Amino acid sequence: SYELTQPLSVSVALGQAARINCVGNNIGNRNVHWYQQIPGQAPVLVIYRDYKRPSGIPDRFSGSNSGSTATLTISSAQAGDEGEYYCQVWDSSAAVFGGGTKLTVL
Amino acid sequence: EVQLVESGGDLVKPGGSLRLSCAASGFIITDAWMTWVRQAPGKGLEWVGRIKSKADGGTTDYAAPVKGRFTISRDDSKNILHLQMDSLKSEDTAVYYCTTVHLGLDNWGQGALVTVSA
Repeated sequence: SYELTQPLSVSVALGQAARINCVGNNIGNRNVHWYQQIPGQAPVLVIYRDYKRPSGIPDRFSGSNSGSTATLTISSAQAGDEGEYYCQVWDSSAAVFGGGTKLTVL
Repeated sequence: EVQLVESGGDLVKPGGSLRLSCAASGFIITDAWMTWVRQAPGKGLEWVGRIKSKADGGTTDYAAPVKGRFTISRDDSKNILHLQMDSLKSEDTAVYYCTTVHLGLDNWGQGALVTVSA
């Protein structure tokens, strides 16, 4: 089965750029979606199909995908961006999630 | 506005059954692909299963850990998605979310807590 690997945690200074990687075999050939989960809340789609933003998502959020790594970038991290971030792809009719990355804004 | 509201979460003994419901508003569920995703306490997201729109055949797919025990269905008259869970195990303890599938997993409910314990 297909696997996605994310770092357990990423820390970033307030106002600096945060980057969260998602590694998978030839992930560049798949559409990658990213979700933000604030503690105690349901996940929210923040990036779909590698780099597109749903309406209402700030343009501080961006994505890229090439080779074996997809990346979510938050260009100027805010305190409200703290939470867990998950990447996701579809594999043979099944959704596959990465293990999640806890983002801490210092 | 799309809204999803789960209900039916409860404490159930191992081997027991439970049915979750996901009441949808703002769209017609027969026109949508929908999934169930669960999250065990302190853990990450885990896909449970999916149902396709009626136009795409309405077929279902399930994750290996729940296949043969869980069933996704729709009540078209009430615009409600169901998750029937049988032969429950302690490892099924989780918050269960229903979601729509469009751009990604676009809309999520608030979740329903299922606890499987003796």
